[in-house]
Amino acid sequence: DIQMTQSPSTLSASVGDRVTVTCRASQSISSWLAWYQQKPGKAPKLLIYKASSLEGGVPSRFSGSGSGTEFTLTISSLQPDDFASYYCQHYSTYSVTFGGGTKVEIK
Amino acid sequence: QLQLQESGPGLVKPSETLSLTCSVSGGSVRSSDYYWGWIRQPPGKGLEWIGNIYYSGSTYYNPSLNSRVTISVDTSKNQFSLKLNSVTAADTAVYSCARGAVIGRVTPYDHWGQGTQVIVSS
Repeated sequence: DIQMTQSPSTLSASVGDRVTVTCRASQSISSWLAWYQQKPGKAPKLLIYKASSLEGGVPSRFSGSGSGTEFTLTISSLQPDDFASYYCQHYSTYSVTFGGGTKVEIK
Repeated sequence: QLQLQESGPGLVKPSETLSLTCSVSGGSVRSSDYYWGWIRQPPGKGLEWIGNIYYSGSTYYNPSLNSRVTISVDTSKNQFSLKLNSVTAADTAVYSCARGAVIGRVTPYDHWGQGTQVIVSS
């Protein structure tokens, strides 16, 4: 089974900061990685798919990069609406694995 | 506009079977362009994949739950369902249904239901 490890688990930042979240796969997953944003009591929202493709309607301050086993989600300038939890996800026909999540808090 | 809505008992006794349904509106569970999945989130914890079902009827489950899970589709009602048997307190979670697309290869879930809380307790 493929394991997905996210870091950090919690991140404290201020509005306007550049924020980076890392996700590591236990084996190569090519670019089959997505990023979701989740706010308390709400369903996750797809931000990025295929490691670096921005989902429609998602602000351009969100970007994803990486391939193989190392991936990053970057928020170029953190906005008040961005304080939330973020999850990476490996997806394939046969299985789905989520990372443990990163909570972005107000500093 | 696609909408997914989970329904089912909010309280299940230990050792019994958890049964949930996801009603789909604004789309068809019969479409070969999509697949349907269940995900859960225990209180204060992260997301855990339960399983997916495809147009062909093929199902894929989380290995850690495989022996207890069944996902099925009811095309006449435009719904898909989750059954998880022999539940314990560790199965207490918010259960969500979701849809992903199949465009050559699968894409990640792009539509989710709001989730339904299930508590396992006697």
